Amino acid sequence: DGGITQSPKYLFRKEGQNVTLSCEQNLNHDAMYWYRQDPGQGLRLIYYSQIVNDFQKGDIAEGYSVSREKKESFPLTVTSAQKNPTAFYLCASSPRLSRENSNQPQHFGDGTRLSIL
Amino acid sequence: QKEVEQDPGPLSVPEGAIVSLNCTYSNSAFQYFMWYRQYSRKGPELLMYTYSSGNKEDGRFTAQVDKSSKYISLFIRDSQPSDSATYLCAMSVTGYSSASKIIFGSGTRLSIRP
Repeated sequence: DGGITQSPKYLFRKEGQNVTLSCEQNLNHDAMYWYRQDPGQGLRLIYYSQIVNDFQKGDIAEGYSVSREKKESFPLTVTSAQKNPTAFYLCASSPRLSRENSNQPQHFGDGTRLSIL
Repeated sequence: QKEVEQDPGPLSVPEGAIVSLNCTYSNSAFQYFMWYRQYSRKGPELLMYTYSSGNKEDGRFTAQVDKSSKYISLFIRDSQPSDSATYLCAMSVTGYSSASKIIFGSGTRLSIRP
């Protein structure tokens, strides 16, 4: 089945620790995204990547880092600089925006819930 | 003022009722509108997407856009307990997958009572 797989489902971080959230897709999508979801707020964009080896900051990139070495993978690292990391993290993907694909919304994985120990 | 406003609910209705979920927005340039359903501890699942004004129907779901009022709605007919979830609206100026330009509502929690 094609889809987006996020792991782990739950993750705990100690103070001063970096943690990495995994996102893998087998949809052959070029574009991938990371969002953060907090109670009572809409999804907020952290980083996105439209093509391998390229990525852009979203609205709340501070304290996070990403890499895009392979088309199917877009891991997110929550660094110790992120002072309020407790949230539900969602990865999404879509075909790269083009004239042919302009009508293709993003599809989401099932998320990773990160908590502080 | 937020660009997209959505009543958080919770909204509780009896099984079989017609449900109306709504979002208002302030940016008149939005043209692409989406509705996602999110079950507890899961990612959002795309339900419907529409371009510009008008209605779009898919089974028990109807999405409606009123650009003059900056108001979008999702109607659910013959609601079922399995429709109990949080519903997120989303919108964009430049496209459904327009990287940094999609604005999400905060979601409305819906509960269908058997």
